[in-house]
Amino acid sequence: QVQLVQSGAEVKKPGASVKVSCKASGYTFSTYYIHWVRQAPGQGLEWMGIISPDNGRTTYAQKFQGRVTVTRDTSTTTVYMELSSLRSDDTAVYYCARDGVMGATPAVFDHWGQGTLVSVSS
Amino acid sequence: QSVLTQPPSVSGAPGQRVTISCTGRSSNIGSGFDVHWYRQVPGQAPKLLIFGNNNRPSGVPDRFSVSKSGTSASLAITGLQAEDEADYYCQSYDTSLSIGVVFGGGTKLTVL
Repeated sequence: QVQLVQSGAEVKKPGASVKVSCKASGYTFSTYYIHWVRQAPGQGLEWMGIISPDNGRTTYAQKFQGRVTVTRDTSTTTVYMELSSLRSDDTAVYYCARDGVMGATPAVFDHWGQGTLVSVSS
Repeated sequence: QSVLTQPPSVSGAPGQRVTISCTGRSSNIGSGFDVHWYRQVPGQAPKLLIFGNNNRPSGVPDRFSVSKSGTSASLAITGLQAEDEADYYCQSYDTSLSIGVVFGGGTKLTVL
């Protein structure tokens, strides 16, 4: 079955960077885009960016441009999201999600990782 | 401030019908983009509920249905059950500069 398994919780200081991993299994990794979505405590969902596991091409939300980098390792079927220059308002649960319907606009997030809590505090 | 606007909360008694609205603008829902809906139980990841024109993943009952008109969409839940209590989010796409995927702010459904 399709699974997206994320790395564990992180605690970071302001100004630091964090790298969250998302290991995909149960399907052909290169076929489906992977997105990153975050959710601040008690808040709604916020889209951060997308990667094509096939060619590594990325697109980021304007809000995160210059601070976020999404990469993938096809040998381990893992996608990474790195967020730099962390601030307290970056404290959130970060999710990876698979776009399960090829060519659909908007993307259809048919499978989600379990989430990774990133806490930013001095 | 979410790009798509949802009511913060709705409620209904078991067996009743409730609707959750999702209001956008001409650059997203009004441009004809599909609206998808997700259900999230506190402490868990969101789950896909309905996508596009009433497409339901396996296991989602037909008590859940959607409609769309102009710049708005709605999720309807009939025969309300206690296990329907959760947060519901709508999602679409926005063509404004570098916005891309957009979500509603979420609606807390309480089953009375």
